[in-house]
Amino acid sequence: QVQLQESGPGLVKPSETLSLTCIVSGGSVSSTNYYWGWIRQPPGKGLEWIGNIYYNGNTKYNPSLKTRVTISVDTSKNQFSLKLTSVSASDTALYYCARRYFYGSGSPFGPWGQGTLVTVSS
Amino acid sequence: NFMLIQPHSVSESPGKTVTISCTRRPGSIASNYVQWYQQRPGSSPTTVIYEDDQRPSGVPDRFSGSIDSSSNSASLTISGLKTEDEADYYCQSYDSDNHVFGGGTKLTVL
Repeated sequence: QVQLQESGPGLVKPSETLSLTCIVSGGSVSSTNYYWGWIRQPPGKGLEWIGNIYYNGNTKYNPSLKTRVTISVDTSKNQFSLKLTSVSASDTALYYCARRYFYGSGSPFGPWGQGTLVTVSS
Repeated sequence: NFMLIQPHSVSESPGKTVTISCTRRPGSIASNYVQWYQQRPGSSPTTVIYEDDQRPSGVPDRFSGSIDSSSNSASLTISGLKTEDEADYYCQSYDSDNHVFGGGTKLTVL
């Protein structure tokens, strides 16, 4: 049973870079069968897809965040990471990592990590 | 880019049936599959419907999904409502390498 766990600082200053890692257990980020993604949820609001990465490093990003987002994968540590630059208060959110089956545009996201709250504040 | 528009909230009594809509603008709802997620308070989302109308194993058959091209909407129908169904529900679809979620619908079972 694959499990995902987000980790990283809970507080980031405005204009700085948010960095999070998703540790995968019970499965491999090197699998050719899955994408690995980041999704966020501002407090009391809805879900927003940030981006996905494939084992070979190929990425897809939300067009609205593309200029500030980098997702990378570390197969040696079985984890993948998110960097979001020039953050502001609007980036305050619960950040989830999730897996998505590679084949088919109708593949859902799942499982999800438990989420980690990142607050942007000075 | 496109949007998926959901009602902010719906409510219904236990044992009844409720339907949550998800309207795509612009573009055709039928052009890409729609998924539905359930998010209970304090929990991560879980899939209740994928590929418009498919149920993952473990999801009760009280949950069903459909697409209506005439209204350009997807629908999630929950029959035989239980208090445990009270949650936020999100639709999600995909186009041009971009995944989009609806704004979410809060289902109250009272």
